Amino acid sequence: SAVISQKPSRDICQRGTSLTIQCQVDSQVTMMFWYRQQPGQSLTLIATANQGSEATYESGFVIDKFPISRPNLTFSTLTVSNMSPEDSSIYLCSSWRGTDTQYFGPGTRLTVL
Amino acid sequence: GESVGLHLPTLSVQEGDNSIINCAYSNSASDYFIWYKQESGKGPQFIIDIRSNMDKRQGQRVTVLLNKTVKHLSLQIAATQPGDSAVYFCAENTGGFKTIFGAGTRLFVKA
Repeated sequence: SAVISQKPSRDICQRGTSLTIQCQVDSQVTMMFWYRQQPGQSLTLIATANQGSEATYESGFVIDKFPISRPNLTFSTLTVSNMSPEDSSIYLCSSWRGTDTQYFGPGTRLTVL
Repeated sequence: GESVGLHLPTLSVQEGDNSIINCAYSNSASDYFIWYKQESGKGPQFIIDIRSNMDKRQGQRVTVLLNKTVKHLSLQIAATQPGDSAVYFCAENTGGFKTIFGAGTRLFVKA
């Protein structure tokens, strides 16, 4: 199975500030995915991050609010900008091992005060 | 524990009984379906998958059934154990690598 780690595991932030979440995969992958899981909800795809190109955002998510970097084939960052309490969620990084199985990181639990 | 699953539908079963978790998917073009288990404080974990050319697939203690006519997916867990307590999500994929998650179900297993 793929090993995906995220930093930080949790954080409490003040409104108006920004937080950058790091995701590290233990092998090279073409695509990495960022999801949001609001309290008591399912997972919603934020964007797909490909190495060497801009991320592709899903409806309702914009680059100014959630800038993403993908500097190499094993690493990606998601920044939550100008945070408000509505951004309090679990943010999850994901990638595929081959074409059969999708793996998820443990998540970053963000609380915005 | 974390807040995952607080507002989700809940299924409560007795230890040793079989569990059936249901899911309706939305996209008739989806051709790959996955069930995930999410325990408190963790990311989703792959359980079992099924492709659209099948209507049933079995794993260890788990079975997934697919009914494309009514766009319905179910997960059956045999002899449910306390360790099966978690939130279960169905997910669909339209052939690329973008997975769309459905609503989850929280499973409680009573000892």
